[in-house]
Amino acid sequence: DQQVKQNSPSLSVQEGRISILNCDYTNSMFDYFLWYKKYPAEGPTFLISISSIKDKNEDGRFTVFLNKSAKHLSLHIVPSQPGDSAVYFCAASANTGNQFYFGTGTSLTVIP
Amino acid sequence: DVKVTQSSRYLVKRTGEKVFLECVQDMDHENMFWYRQDPGLGLRLIYFSYDVKMKEKGDIPEGYSVSREKKERFSLILESASTNQTSMYLCASRPTEYFRYGYTFGSGTRLTVV
Repeated sequence: DQQVKQNSPSLSVQEGRISILNCDYTNSMFDYFLWYKKYPAEGPTFLISISSIKDKNEDGRFTVFLNKSAKHLSLHIVPSQPGDSAVYFCAASANTGNQFYFGTGTSLTVIP
Repeated sequence: DVKVTQSSRYLVKRTGEKVFLECVQDMDHENMFWYRQDPGLGLRLIYFSYDVKMKEKGDIPEGYSVSREKKERFSLILESASTNQTSMYLCASRPTEYFRYGYTFGSGTRLTVV
């Protein structure tokens, strides 16, 4: 059963606008979350993380928001750039565990 | 720069062949992982290893085995390749300490079984 879900397989956004990628999880033990970015024919690369003690984390154009009560996190990219076009995976882990559980990915296309 | 290196970017194998996918990391990480990535299914864990000669099944181990004889090397073995094992295979590693930093992934091996 998928414990981390990304319900939007794809998203298209105009260059300069905001991209919002969403992720939901079911396991209340998850307390640390990551976003990875993946280009075709390359491995995923780490983008940004957030711990459950926070509800927001920023790194440049990227911001991750966490809503623990809704078991929901989102990644905001502002402004979006064509180079942001990639597949984005969210991942979650529990303090008691050793593995990260990945979502199914959202393919972002930023249109010039 | 830290690296996880997968020996092949693309492989084409025939049904029934025994296939070896090799992964080497130079970061002295204790933990290594094999995932496969399929459209609509995301990244699914096949096997992982916490130490030399140790292995643990992930979510989809059927049809696969692994070998970890040295700390830096983690091999995925398809005992008898089948067409439903056509996929992108990703190797990853992470340290035991600071595991919250997540994985470092290799570039992937695109395997096609015909």
